[in-house]
Amino acid sequence: DTGVSQDPRHKITKRGQNVTFRCDPISEHNRLYWYRQTLGQGPEFLTYFQNEAQLEKSRLLSDRFSAERPKGSFSTLEIQRTEQGDSAMYLCASSSADGRNSTDTQYFGPGTRLTVL
Amino acid sequence: GNSVTQMEGPVTLSEEAFLTINCTYTATGYPSLFWYVQYPGEGLQLLLKATKADDKGSNKGFEATYRKETTSFHLEKGSVQVSDSAVYFCALSDRKTSGSRLTFGEGTQLTVNP
Repeated sequence: DTGVSQDPRHKITKRGQNVTFRCDPISEHNRLYWYRQTLGQGPEFLTYFQNEAQLEKSRLLSDRFSAERPKGSFSTLEIQRTEQGDSAMYLCASSSADGRNSTDTQYFGPGTRLTVL
Repeated sequence: GNSVTQMEGPVTLSEEAFLTINCTYTATGYPSLFWYVQYPGEGLQLLLKATKADDKGSNKGFEATYRKETTSFHLEKGSVQVSDSAVYFCALSDRKTSGSRLTFGEGTQLTVNP
């Protein structure tokens, strides 16, 4: 299967701990996105990369959140000092587009469900 | 800013019934419009898309037409099946004002009974 993969699928942690999630995009997709989805809501954009460059960050992405895509392939999303309000599904998507302003279709991974106790 | 409004759910239908899920949007540019579907325990899957006014997206018996005059992208299917039970999300991407990010509606839960 060459779809978007995410690891882990589920994470339970205690408040105050740090967590890191990984996303492997569809190979050769140059764009990678992170979204957050809470129960009963649609996904909300967090950040996106074109190759290794982080081009957009939402105001939802507080200082406790950091994302990287060091070699333009997989990406990690780290949350430091987790809070109960961070409990959500974290979705990764990837796409292939030419140029910064072109329209692309995003393909989503299965998500990582985070529960902060 | 950009926004997407979907009809409130949940929606419950009998098999072979006609389905409409309403979606309207607000955007300052010329967005592309999408419908994604999320089956229980799975990630979002692209169902169909339309990139300009009057385009019709279609897939698996589902259709939606990009109506600029009414800023709508309603999802329709002539005869639903039990396997169509899922959450449906309408979304837009407006590269002129919000780059590549997708803006989603809140989702509509569809349950199809045999």
